[in-house]
Amino acid sequence: NAGVTQTPKFRILKIGQSMTLQCTQDMNHNYMYWYRQDPGMGLKLIYYSVGAGITDKGEVPNGYNVSRSTTEDFPLRLELAAPSQTSVYFCASSRTGAPPHYGYTFGSGTRLTVV
Amino acid sequence: AQSVTQPDIHITVSEGASLELRCNYSYGATPYLFWYVQSPGQGLQLLLKYFSGDTLVQGIKGFEAEFKRSQSSFNLRKPSVHWSDAAEYFCAVGAGKTSYDKVIFGPGTSLSVIP
Repeated sequence: NAGVTQTPKFRILKIGQSMTLQCTQDMNHNYMYWYRQDPGMGLKLIYYSVGAGITDKGEVPNGYNVSRSTTEDFPLRLELAAPSQTSVYFCASSRTGAPPHYGYTFGSGTRLTVV
Repeated sequence: AQSVTQPDIHITVSEGASLELRCNYSYGATPYLFWYVQSPGQGLQLLLKYFSGDTLVQGIKGFEAEFKRSQSSFNLRKPSVHWSDAAEYFCAVGAGKTSYDKVIFGPGTSLSVIP
């Protein structure tokens, strides 16, 4: 049981480059999320999705885009990388129903450095 | 708006000693409360959760937490710490059944365990 899989684990980008962080889950969870984690700041929600074809902004969406064409996949796109996007990115998913009620399953993260 | 504070940025305990990690939240109603653990280089793993009923909840790995409404607290405890418990611990609060974007994470407490 793979759970939530994120790729790549590490990446270095130059300012202005673009990339896609991949996230896939095999638990048939409808709800998926992207968070960024900065030291001493906890996790901040970037985008979330309640099902295929439905996405919405979280707390810090600027500079990012998402899509959800299937239940399994929820990629995060950085179009013009900036140093402020240096962070650790986590994808998470949760069961159908009340997401806060059940808690989240997290991937192992992608450490991104923008130079 | 809801918020979560974890007053201790870093805690060091001796192996075999007891542990208490503090979490305080701000929210108008009864929230959903969670504790997650993050081992180095890993994603977050759910330790336990509270949403109703008995205010003392048991989790995995021998952890427990107590919800105290009068103190707006949800402190995490373990009677005897093992070296493998060294990790980052996050308290989180969820605002309601349909508020998908309202799970707020605290800044985290880093736990070190000395032999």
